[in-house]
Parts: sequence; C-alpha cells; structure tokens
Amino acid sequence: SQQGEEDPQALSIQEGENATMNCSYKTSINNLQWYRQNSGRGLVHLILIRSNEREKHSGRLRVTLDTSKKSSSLLITASRAADTASYFCATDAETGTASKLTFGTGTRLQVTL
Amino acid sequence: DGGITQSPKYLFRKEGQNVTLSCEQNLNHDAMYWYRQDPGQGLRLIYYSQIVNDFQKGDIAEGYSVSREKKESFPLTVTSAQKNPTAFYLCASSTLTPLNNNEQFFGPGTRLTVL
Repeated sequence: SQQGEEDPQALSIQEGENATMNCSYKTSINNLQWYRQNSGRGLVHLILIRSNEREKHSGRLRVTLDTSKKSSSLLITASRAADTASYFCATDAETGTASKLTFGTGTRLQVTL
Repeated sequence: DGGITQSPKYLFRKEGQNVTLSCEQNLNHDAMYWYRQDPGQGLRLIYYSQIVNDFQKGDIAEGYSVSREKKESFPLTVTSAQKNPTAFYLCASSTLTPLNNNEQFFGPGTRLTVL
C-alpha cells in the first residue's frame, strides 16, 4: 500500500527559486526518508528524519516533520537545473528489523534555466 | 568501488516465460530488498531478506520468487504467474542496526518488458 502521498504531483520552477514538496502518511513511523530519482535511474537517499525530530538540514535541503499531522515537507533552496528529478518520501514503521520502507507516489520537479 | 549492481539493464520476455533479475552488492549489507515501480508511481516492496537463507514477502509477492544463498546476492525471478510483469525493478540494500534508522542504497534498476 502507498502510505505516503506527495503534494504536488508535479512542480515547475525557475533556477534560483525554492521548491517545497509535502508528504502525508497514515500510520505511526520510526523515521521518514526522502529520496531522489533521476529519470530511468535508481533512487538516491537524501535525508532521514527520526520520529522524535522536527527539523533537519543537509546542504540546500531542509526537512520538517510533524507527527501530530502525519506530514513532512522537503524544501530545496536556490534550486538548480540539476535538481530536476522525482522526489519520494518513504516511511519506516518497523523497529528492530529490516527497514521496510513504504514509498509515496512522488513529486516530479522541473527546474528551468 | 563499492555499490549495488543490477543486470541486465533492459530485459525482454515472452509471455509464459520465467526470467531472473540479478542483484549484487559489495557493501557488506545484511538486508536486501526488491521493489517494483510502475510509470508515474512510487515503489512497492516485493520481497526482502535480512539474512542469508531467509526472506519475507512484501506487499506484492505473488508471481515472484527470490533466493538468498549468499550475502552479496539476491536474485529475483519473475514467473509466468505474474499477471502484469512489465515494470521497472529496483534492488536495494541496507545495514541492520538496533535502532534501524538506516537508509537504503539502490541499484540502477532493470526495465522488464513482456512482449
């Protein structure tokens, strides 16, 4: 089942602008992760936020997590054409076992020059 | 050069045939996973394995089979029982730690087309 739902499904911005993507989920989680996928390629891990964290930064990425609303957001600041990709949130509800991630449907980001 | 590899990149299969997708990792990860991705969709878990000679079904295991005879290898067989096998297949691996806050490392994928 697709626990995570990303919003918007598609986003088009100009280089230098900020891009914000949102993710909602349904059940309690251990952590939430964001991944990036270039067209026709595998996924690349961007950032992980634990259930007891509210905000995390990594370079131009900022992730927030609101467990009361079961939602997360990914902000990419000062976007570049190379940021063009699909972005997926994935929730991990398990503890002490293999991380069984449940992926959302993704946000397709297009950054134009 | 550490990483996770999948082969082949493209695979064509006739209806009624079984086909096996390869996944190898040299990251010394205990856990390995297989996902299926359909156009414009997220990933759905087919099977996963935490240790050699053991594996569990994911959300969409019907029509698929796996083996884990070596830590480095986790091949996926798409059988003729899979009704709609045309998709992009992704393999991933991760470490296992008590807190389990582990990222997954993905291979480049295999695109399977049934003719």
